[in-house]
Amino acid sequence: EVQLVESGGGLVQPGRSLRLSCAASGFTFDDYAMHWVRQPPGKGLEWVSGITWNSGNIAYADSVKGRFTISRDNARTSLFLQMNSLRPEDTAMYYCAKVRNWRQGGEVAGSSYFDYWGQGTLVTVSS
Amino acid sequence: SSELTQDPAVSVALGQTVRITCQGDSLRSYYASWYQQKPGQGPVLVFYGENNRPSSIPDRFFGSSSGNTASLIITGAQAEDEADYYCNCRDSTVNRVLFGGGTKLTVL
Repeated sequence: EVQLVESGGGLVQPGRSLRLSCAASGFTFDDYAMHWVRQPPGKGLEWVSGITWNSGNIAYADSVKGRFTISRDNARTSLFLQMNSLRPEDTAMYYCAKVRNWRQGGEVAGSSYFDYWGQGTLVTVSS
Repeated sequence: SSELTQDPAVSVALGQTVRITCQGDSLRSYYASWYQQKPGQGPVLVFYGENNRPSSIPDRFFGSSSGNTASLIITGAQAEDEADYYCNCRDSTVNRVLFGGGTKLTVL
């Protein structure tokens, strides 16, 4: 059974940093691109960042570019999101998501069918 | 435009058919995928690509695409289909993924 378990969320002051983790199990982690998607309270889904299976291609939404860094550790079957210079508008539930396509090459956005999602970890940015 | 547009809310009578639409220029080049989200839960993939439904999803869920519009069609809507539905696809010009704003489906 595929499982994605996010952790690392919490209450943080504006300007501070937070590192999110996503522990994956139930599939061969290093065969699939992974993404982070967030959802502000009461609002819709917003794509944040994606990373290919071999970390060969990485992309970010304009709203987080230069502040957030996505990475993965295939040996530990884990995905990470380092979030720096946090702003109140970053307040959201953060989900990690696995893509459907096996070892899809090219740009990470090319694999946008997200077949499994975690339950999310809540990040609140407030003073 | 690099956006995907969805109607904020749609309703359907129990057992009837409903179409949820998603519009955007990127849909002329790429197929959409569709997600169902119920309160307090993570999203669930219900349809993707040209004609693909995950094995766990009931066969009353269909997808279609024409021009700049993708549609999720639910035939014989059930009470348990009441949820928020989101479309997504990749941006046709930039290396990023787009999401529609979501449609709240009410089953009457």
